[in-house]
Amino acid sequence: AQKITQTQPGMFVQEKEAVTLDCTYDTSDQSYGLFWYKQPSSGEMIFLIYQGSYDEQNATEGRYSLNFQKARKSANLVISASQLGDSAMYFCAMRLLIYNQGGKLIFGQGTELSVKP
Amino acid sequence: DTEVTQTPKHLVMGMTNKKSLKCEQHMGHRAMYWYKQKAKKPPELMFVYSYEKLSINESVPSRFSPECPNSSLLNLHLHALQPEDSALYLCASSQDDRGPTGELFFGEGSRLTVL
Repeated sequence: AQKITQTQPGMFVQEKEAVTLDCTYDTSDQSYGLFWYKQPSSGEMIFLIYQGSYDEQNATEGRYSLNFQKARKSANLVISASQLGDSAMYFCAMRLLIYNQGGKLIFGQGTELSVKP
Repeated sequence: DTEVTQTPKHLVMGMTNKKSLKCEQHMGHRAMYWYKQKAKKPPELMFVYSYEKLSINESVPSRFSPECPNSSLLNLHLHALQPEDSALYLCASSQDDRGPTGELFFGEGSRLTVL
């Protein structure tokens, strides 16, 4: 079964410190995409970073980096130098191509990150 | 312009009402999506439109009726809803849905309350 698992319902981090949000996934597909989204209390889902299953380098976008370990099926998000504005819900997601249907994006349960001043 | 615009932002309706949620994007994307999200839960996929045709319906009750009038617009028609349908409804778009790459761009959502 295709599944995304985030085992940390909530996390706290001190401002300016780095934090790692865990994500593991399960799929038998060879081709898939992994994404991280941020959802502030306003509700909008904000795209942060993408990693393709065939990408050999870990993705980075500014303060965000994705620690991709394909053999372990993990795609952890690392946020460096946390800021107060990073407080939000973070979702790991996997995009799959479903035969005869097309692509769909499925989400993990989310991790609520709180940054302390 | 990378926006997905959803209207209305808030909607309160009774169980006998008929209302619609609207979504618009001008990025030239050919895939559009409706997700439903309850508080503190992940978004759940409802429908996918690919090149203006319904490609995925995740066994959504018929009281939710999607419509894609053109490649820029996506509607969700609501009729005879139940209080448990109260949720945040998110619209998203992507370049297409033909592969596992390409991020989805989300709107801010329509927060629906059914009385």
